[in-house]
Amino acid sequence: EDKVVQSPLSLVVHEGDTVTLNCSYEVTNFRSLLWYKQEKKAPTFLFMLTSSGIEKKSGRLSSILDKKELFSILNITATQTGDSAVYLCAVEAINDYKLSFGAGTTVTVRA
Amino acid sequence: EADIYQTPRYLVIGTGKKITLECSQTMGHDKMYWYQQDPGMELHLIHYSYGVNSTEKGDLSSESTVSRIRTEHFPLTLESARPSHTSQYLCASSESRGEGKLFFGSGTQLSVL
Repeated sequence: EDKVVQSPLSLVVHEGDTVTLNCSYEVTNFRSLLWYKQEKKAPTFLFMLTSSGIEKKSGRLSSILDKKELFSILNITATQTGDSAVYLCAVEAINDYKLSFGAGTTVTVRA
Repeated sequence: EADIYQTPRYLVIGTGKKITLECSQTMGHDKMYWYQQDPGMELHLIHYSYGVNSTEKGDLSSESTVSRIRTEHFPLTLESARPSHTSQYLCASSESRGEGKLFFGSGTQLSVL
């Protein structure tokens, strides 16, 4: 059974801090790892990673995948209060179009 | 911008009632999914569909049923709601290429009294 573990479960930072979120996984026939941001409603897509060692970047957010050690990190620099959300990590297996999600990391950014 | 809609957003009902949660998407996606999410817990897949007249049960056992008569519509039905069904239900869809990128609806928060 596919397994996705995120850490920490929650954290509180102040505006301007840098945040690093971790996601480790076990999946047979790995295809991709995805990060989502969930505020009070629908999760929204952030990144999809398929290749090891290649950083994906979007503004202050970046993510990288290590397929050898089976983990990914999501970094948020210069955090803002609008970054407060639950960040979800999910993995997809080849020929299986369903995602297995972790429990998420709740990030609270205080002004 | 994703165009996937769920109704209602919130629903409070009594035990034993039959309910249908609606989900529609206008993107022409073949693949659609229902996830259940409790606070602080993982999203659990309860049903999915890879196209019209195709439905499968997900990893989490559920007493609900689904139908897929039209590409854009994927309703979820509970024949007799119980307090254990209280949860958030999220509908999602993805493109046929199956790259795993899901588009989510805003969810239905169901409370069964």
